[in-house]
Amino acid sequence: QVQLVQSGAEVKKPGASVKVSCKASGYTFTRYALHWVRQAPGQGLEWMGWVNAGTGYTKYSQKFQGRVTITRDTSASTAYMELSSLTAEDTAMFYCARESFSRNDHWGQGTLVTVSS
Amino acid sequence: SHVLTQPPSVSVAPGQTARITCGGNNFGSKSVHWYQQKPGQAPVLVVYDDSDRPSGIPERFSGSKSENTATLTISRVEAGDEADYYCQVWDSDHVLFGGGTKLTAL
Repeated sequence: QVQLVQSGAEVKKPGASVKVSCKASGYTFTRYALHWVRQAPGQGLEWMGWVNAGTGYTKYSQKFQGRVTITRDTSASTAYMELSSLTAEDTAMFYCARESFSRNDHWGQGTLVTVSS
Repeated sequence: SHVLTQPPSVSVAPGQTARITCGGNNFGSKSVHWYQQKPGQAPVLVVYDDSDRPSGIPERFSGSKSENTATLTISRVEAGDEADYYCQVWDSDHVLFGGGTKLTAL
């Protein structure tokens, strides 16, 4: 069965960077794209960007452009999302999600990132 | 660019039908997908390509779309359907989510 398992919760100081991983299993990793979505406490879903796991091509939301980097390691069937210059407003749950024909059919369990001095 | 507008909340009595709308600017050929998110859980796909249901999703969940509005319909609402619901489309290589609608079963 398809599974996306994300890395554990992080606590970071303002100005720091965070790198979250998303390990995929149960399907051919390189045949699907992986997306990252941010959800601040009590707020809605906010798309950050995606990576074509086969080619490595990436596309980012304008809101996060320049601050987010999404990569993948095909040998480890893992995607990564790194967000830099963190502020308190980045305190949120971050999800990875597999994309199949424009829809996100499987989601990771989420990784809570807390930014606090 | 495209913006997806959802009502912040919808309330219905259990057993009744809930309709959650997603307003867009000419959906055209864009496929609309819907996600259910319960508190403390990751989102779950409940309707894709406007009106199809993934396996395991009850037939009570259905979707439709006109030129400027997509609708998620939940028939015979149950207490367990209480959740936030989000619509989503692709637009020029980007993903857009609606702001979300909180469904309450009164």
